Order: sequence, then C-alpha cells, then structure tokens
Amino acid sequence: GDSVTQMEGPVTLSEEAFLTINCTYTATGYPSLFWYVQYPGEGLQLLLKATKADDKGSNKGFEATYRKETTSFHLEKGSVQVSDSAVYFCALSAYGSSNTGKLIFGQGTTLQVKP
Amino acid sequence: SAVISQKPSRDICQRGTSLTIQCQVDSQVTMMFWYRQQPGQSLTLIATANQGSEATYESGFVIDKFPISRPNLTFSTLTVSNMSPEDSSIYLCSVRQGSAADTQYFGPGTRLTVL
Repeated sequence: GDSVTQMEGPVTLSEEAFLTINCTYTATGYPSLFWYVQYPGEGLQLLLKATKADDKGSNKGFEATYRKETTSFHLEKGSVQVSDSAVYFCALSAYGSSNTGKLIFGQGTTLQVKP
Repeated sequence: SAVISQKPSRDICQRGTSLTIQCQVDSQVTMMFWYRQQPGQSLTLIATANQGSEATYESGFVIDKFPISRPNLTFSTLTVSNMSPEDSSIYLCSVRQGSAADTQYFGPGTRLTVL
C-alpha cells in the first residue's frame, strides 16, 4: 500500500543553518504531496503542497520539489530560525477506488533550532 | 482556508467512560475526517464522515468504539467509548477544501488522557 518515509529525528540546528528533511514515498498513481507543521501544543498547519511532478511548493521560506523519478519530496529552508522549531510531517493524498483522498503521513521529524 | 474549532481542547477521563468530541467548521464542507495521534507518533485516519451517510472506518477502527455523527455540512462529533489508557491521544478533525479539493485543513485537536 501507499506509504511515506521521513528521516529520523530529532534534527538539531543552529539559527541560520540550512535545513533539509528527507521524505520519500511509495504510491500507486500520482498522489499530491504535502508538508504539514505542528508547533508545540498546537494542531497541524499546512506548510506547502505540490500536485504533480516537478511542481515546487513554497511558503515562509520553505520549499519542496515533487520528484517523480526519485519518489521524493524533500523539505528545505536556507536559513532556519528558532521559531521554526516544530514537528514536520510529510504526507500524500491517496486516491483509491472510493476516492476519499485520505492523507497518509510519515512518522514526523522534530526540528530543534538553537540560538 | 476553513476555520475549524474543536471542543474540548483537552480532557482527563476515567477508564470505562466515554467522551464526545465536537468539530465545527465555519463553512460547508462535504468530507470531514477524524485522525488519532498517539503520543510521539504520527497521525492515523480513524474514519471519513460524509453528511447524510454512514461514516467509513479504516482498518482497526470500529463504529462501536468510535461512533461518529455528521448531522450537517458544518459539524461532526466523534465519541471515544469505554475508554482505556491506550486511548490517550490527540484527536484531530480535518476537512477537505480547495480548488484541487485534495488539501486537508486541521482543527487544533483534542488532547485526551485516560487514567
């Protein structure tokens, strides 16, 4: 079945460092791909999305490119801030015969940014 | 994007009791989803709730344990029945919205602790 795999955390970086969080997926068909962020004590917020191959999603300095050939959707940011400390979830929208479009999530990666 | 609220935001319950979680959306949506996030884990879909029809449950989740109501296009409830400590989780509702209709937006979650 469809699945999402993220790099193990926690990821600890100094402020202004470059961030990469790896995400790979397995899916039948052509899913949409998402990154969600969960700040401490809060629900999930959509960070960015991409709906087809070679699409680049971007928001708040974060970006990720839908790579069909490597089945990847890695999250990057050029210069992280302390306020970026959160848990990041990669997800795909799976369409089966019922066409419900349920989300399948990776295990989440905790990012800690130190001043 | 839709504004989603949940009640209660958190609760501490005794083993064997039941808790009903409410999810309210500020606009009409066709599909609502209920997810569970166990401590330190990713999100798992419990069921999909469409207005006017029975909820569709994922493997491992049953209606007797997690009955769902969907009386109209802006509201849904999830009941966690006969609770045990293993039910301690964050429960999140989400709605599908957007031009591509494949993007889900999440409520703030209900943090449940069962003693």
